[in-house]
Amino acid sequence: DTGVSQDPRHKITKRGQNVTFRCDPISEHNRLYWYRQTLGQGPEFLTYFQNEAQLEKSRLLSDRFSAERPKGSFSTLEIQRTEQGDSAMYLCASSRLSSGANVLTFGAGSRLTVL
Amino acid sequence: DQQVKQNSPSLSVQEGRISILNCDYTNSMFDYFLWYKKYPAEGPTFLISISSIKDKNEDGRFTVFLNKSAKHLSLHIVPSQPGDSAVYFCAALSNAGGTSYGKLTFGQGTILTVHP
Repeated sequence: DTGVSQDPRHKITKRGQNVTFRCDPISEHNRLYWYRQTLGQGPEFLTYFQNEAQLEKSRLLSDRFSAERPKGSFSTLEIQRTEQGDSAMYLCASSRLSSGANVLTFGAGSRLTVL
Repeated sequence: DQQVKQNSPSLSVQEGRISILNCDYTNSMFDYFLWYKKYPAEGPTFLISISSIKDKNEDGRFTVFLNKSAKHLSLHIVPSQPGDSAVYFCAALSNAGGTSYGKLTFGQGTILTVHP
C-alpha cells in the first residue's frame, strides 16, 4: 500500500500532556500538509511543507503546536500542554510538486481525545 | 468567516436516481475546486475537480458544474448507488500569485444516503 500513513490512529490523553503524531506521505510526493477536522466541520488547513521546508502556518497553529519534516520524508506534529479544545481528527495529506499539485491524497487521520 | 458553504447537511436519494450536492463560495480569488468523499474511519478521498476556466467536468457517473457568476458549484451523481453513501466535501483554492499549493478551504460536508 503506497498511500499516506498516519500513526497512531487514536490517542486519548489527559489535559496538559504532550502528544506527537507521525505521517508518512506517498514517497514521490514533495508536499506534505496537516489539516484538522472537528465534528461537523470540514478539514481546516494547519501547515504545509515542501520537502523539508515549512512554508506556511495557519493562525490556527498556536505556539503549542510544532510540525517538522526532517529530511523531507515523514513528518511529525507535536502538541504540547494539550487542552480539551485540541480534541479533533488530525489529517495528513501529500501531493506532487507540479502536475496534480492541487489534488491532495489524505491519510486516515489521527483522532485525538483530550480528557 | 465560512468562505465555502454546503448548506445541506444531509441528502437522501433512491438508488438509480440523481444525487445533486451543492456548494457556494464567497472568495472570488478561488480558481480551482474539488470534491472529496469520506467514509467513516477513512480520510477524504479525491473524487473530481474543476478549474475556473471550465464550467463542467465529467468523470463517469460524476459531473461537476461551476457557475462563477453565482459562485456556486454542484456535484451530480447519476445513477446513484448505495456505495455512494458517504460524506461529501467541496473544497476550493486559489492559485493566484503563481504559487500553487494545496491550501484547500473546505465546506462543512453533506451526508449522502442512497437507499436500495
